[in-house]
Amino acid sequence: RKEVEQDPGPFNVPEGATVAFNCTYSNSASQSFFWYRQDCRKEPKLLMSVYSSGNEDGRFTAQLNRASQYISLLIRDSKLSDSATYLCVVFSGGYNKLIFGAGTRLAVHP
Amino acid sequence: DAGVIQSPRHEVTEMGQEVTLRCKPISGHDYLFWYRQTMMRGLELLIYFNNNVPIDDSGMPEDRFSAKMPNASFSTLKIQPSEPRDSAVYFCASSSWRRRGANTEAFFGQGTRLTVV
Repeated sequence: RKEVEQDPGPFNVPEGATVAFNCTYSNSASQSFFWYRQDCRKEPKLLMSVYSSGNEDGRFTAQLNRASQYISLLIRDSKLSDSATYLCVVFSGGYNKLIFGAGTRLAVHP
Repeated sequence: DAGVIQSPRHEVTEMGQEVTLRCKPISGHDYLFWYRQTMMRGLELLIYFNNNVPIDDSGMPEDRFSAKMPNASFSTLKIQPSEPRDSAVYFCASSSWRRRGANTEAFFGQGTRLTVV
């Protein structure tokens, strides 16, 4: 089993739609969680950190469920510019190993 | 700060040649990660360092790959001899450890696109 698993998609949604991605992680000792965004032929960049209490940044909401070991990202009112690959990222266990999920591709169409 | 700096941005080499990729992490960051990205396998962690010491190299594909971090501001990833299946984008990232027991987010360099022909 992979340490961090995501549905690869692609998710094809119209502008204005709400879309949600989930990610599961296997190491219960993991401490830090993030969502990254990667555009085609670019490096991954931080989208948002994920806190235990959940957090929101504009149209983006991230949630963490430690009991079930999953992380979610909700995007409301999708824009064409949201089209990208979204990577779930976990610092794993006592060794602070930074593990990426395979990424979920989102394509927003007019 | 200029961010994580990688060089070269692109490298085309012939099979059998030695390839050296370079990375300068963000000043003050004590973690450095090397990743390889391909369409088939996504982002794979190859090796990472903490305070210049290699912590986990279990992702290094084989003995042809080696990585060093001689000081806090420089790391190299070497492939010798290179093979066509090594063609990929290689990313370097750095991060730091917070006192409260969690890492900051990792910042990535722009990557080195390696093509082995």
